[in-house]
Order: sequence, then structure tokens, then C-alpha cells
Amino acid sequence: KAGVTQTPRYLIKTRGQQVTLSCSPISGHRSVSWYQQTPGQGLQFLFEYFSETQRNKGNFPGRFSGRQFSNSRSEMNVSTLELGDSALYLCASSSTVNEKLFFGSGTQLSVL
Amino acid sequence: AQKITQTQPGMFVQEKEAVTLDCTYDTSDQSYGLFWYKQPSSGEMIFLIYQGSYDEQNATEGRYSLNFQKARKSANLVISASQLGDSAMYFCAMRELDSGGYQKVTFGTGTKLQVIP
Repeated sequence: KAGVTQTPRYLIKTRGQQVTLSCSPISGHRSVSWYQQTPGQGLQFLFEYFSETQRNKGNFPGRFSGRQFSNSRSEMNVSTLELGDSALYLCASSSTVNEKLFFGSGTQLSVL
Repeated sequence: AQKITQTQPGMFVQEKEAVTLDCTYDTSDQSYGLFWYKQPSSGEMIFLIYQGSYDEQNATEGRYSLNFQKARKSANLVISASQLGDSAMYFCAMRELDSGGYQKVTFGTGTKLQVIP
């Protein structure tokens, strides 16, 4: 069974640009959540999707958005990039609400 | 208040020795779950072990065991017979339901474990 797949692995952007990150969950998993990881703030919850609906959202500005498709694949978009958005973005999937999270390898975003 | 507290930023352990990584949590929920994840330098978060709040026995997964002390609100990870490949960041996390009834997972700040040959 394939794990959680995140693309791209690395991304370099400049301030003001926008970026889209992709996450394909484990087959059969309907819940996808996103986390931002930085050395200073640690792992912070961005949002969670279940069956194409956003169920929960962390404390991030509206520049951070996401969506989930009918095949459970999810995308995360960050508009008007700022230097502080440089981070490792991790996606996790789970089969039901109370199941453990399985993570992808992450997308390392660098904003110059 | 921090939901998950890991007080050890870094730890060293001799190869083949056991090591305990500390984790305390704060919740008013009766039903919650506690996880430990390992993050090697590659970045991927690897699930290690899970303990439900109603589980009476401590969880074990191979060389990993979770020392769950509910009254103290602690969920320490014990790694037996440390191996060089155990060198990584270790994160404690808690799943609970938020005010909307949806699950929310909060992570600690992590402990960097280095295994010495």
C-alpha cells in the first residue's frame, strides 16, 4: 500500500508569489490534514479536510487555503508569499476521525 | 498553557541502552489519544505508538513502549536497546475533540535523540 505522497519535495519562491502544494493520501483514507513546521514555532496545524469538506482550521491568515477532491487528494495554496512562510509543510492522512495520522515526507518551501 | 510539554530539547543515549523521553499533556477531555512520532533528518514523520485514554494497559510496539500515567498526565516513550538508526527528533502529540466536535491534534516541541556508538 503506497504511503502519503507529497509533491513537490522542494520549492523555491520569491515574496509575493503564490504556491500550490499537493498531497495524495493513503488509498482509502478520507481525512487529510496539513501542518506547518518551522524551527521557531514547531508543528502547527493548518487545516483538516474530510470528504471534500474543511472540518477544522488552525490559526493562520486567509492567505493559506486548501481543498480536497473527490478522490481525497488535497491541495494547499499560499498566496502573496512572505519570508516567514518558509517552512516544511507536512500532510497527513487517516482513515477515520480517531485513527492515527500517517504523514508524507513533506514539501520544503523556501521563500526568498 | 501548553497542551503538550516535552521538557528535554536534546538527549544522548549509548547504543544498546534504554532511554525514556518525557511528555506531559494538558486536557479536560475524558476521551483523547496520545501519539509518538519519529522524524529523521529526511523530514518524514513516522508513527511509533498510540495510547488511548481509556486503554488500561501501556501500549507497546516492538522496542517502543509508552509509560502512560493518567493521573499525572504523562505519556513517556521508552525505547529499549537503542540503535544508531534511532537518532532523530521525537514528537509527542495529543488528539482531542475541539469545541466543534472535530478532532484536533497538537504536537510538542520535540526531543532530539542522539545515539552514541
